[in-house]
Amino acid sequence: GQSLEQPSEVTAVEGAIVQINCTYQTSGFYGLSWYQQHDGGAPTFLSYNALDGLEETGRFSSFLSRSDSYGYLLLQELQMKDSASYFCAVNRDDKIIFGKGTRLHILP
Amino acid sequence: EAQVTQNPRYLITVTGKKLTVTCSQNMNHEYMSWYRQDPGLGLRQIYYSMNVEVTDKGDVPEGYKVSRKEKRNFPLILESPSPNQTSLYFCASSFEGNEQFFGPGTRLTVL
Repeated sequence: GQSLEQPSEVTAVEGAIVQINCTYQTSGFYGLSWYQQHDGGAPTFLSYNALDGLEETGRFSSFLSRSDSYGYLLLQELQMKDSASYFCAVNRDDKIIFGKGTRLHILP
Repeated sequence: EAQVTQNPRYLITVTGKKLTVTCSQNMNHEYMSWYRQDPGLGLRQIYYSMNVEVTDKGDVPEGYKVSRKEKRNFPLILESPSPNQTSLYFCASSFEGNEQFFGPGTRLTVL
């Protein structure tokens, strides 16, 4: 079937670096996207990897390796406001499939 | 301001009473989509639309209808709501489906 696997929770310390992984069992997709969602809010777009490799946007970077069926979101210089849920998503034949999300807890 | 709007934001209704949740975007996006979000299940796509008069099923279309008569609007219709449709609903739009802008969400309770 088609599924994306993410850890349900990750905990990190303020100022540190954290990596949130996304592995998938689907093929033929256009690319991997990442979204952030704060409690009570709507998802907001963070990054998109159309091709294999690393994409950097400020403190956030995202990586995709199609050969390894794997991607990750890297958050640097963690701030308390980064406490949120993070979702990976793929576009397969115009259908969007989301992972179940990773809850990021940040300790002061 | 570029945005996706949804109405209503909160709705409590009873089983079987038809309802419509509206969605509108002002970014001239071709792609629009509806999702439901339930605890532990993430976001699941209900229906999507590639352009006017072009709609297709997502992963969980049962019990829902959509229409796309104008580019900016993509209403979600529940013809006979049931309690298992109690959920948080999001509308989203984008040019091709990859960088989506989400509406604020509609929290629906079906009694």
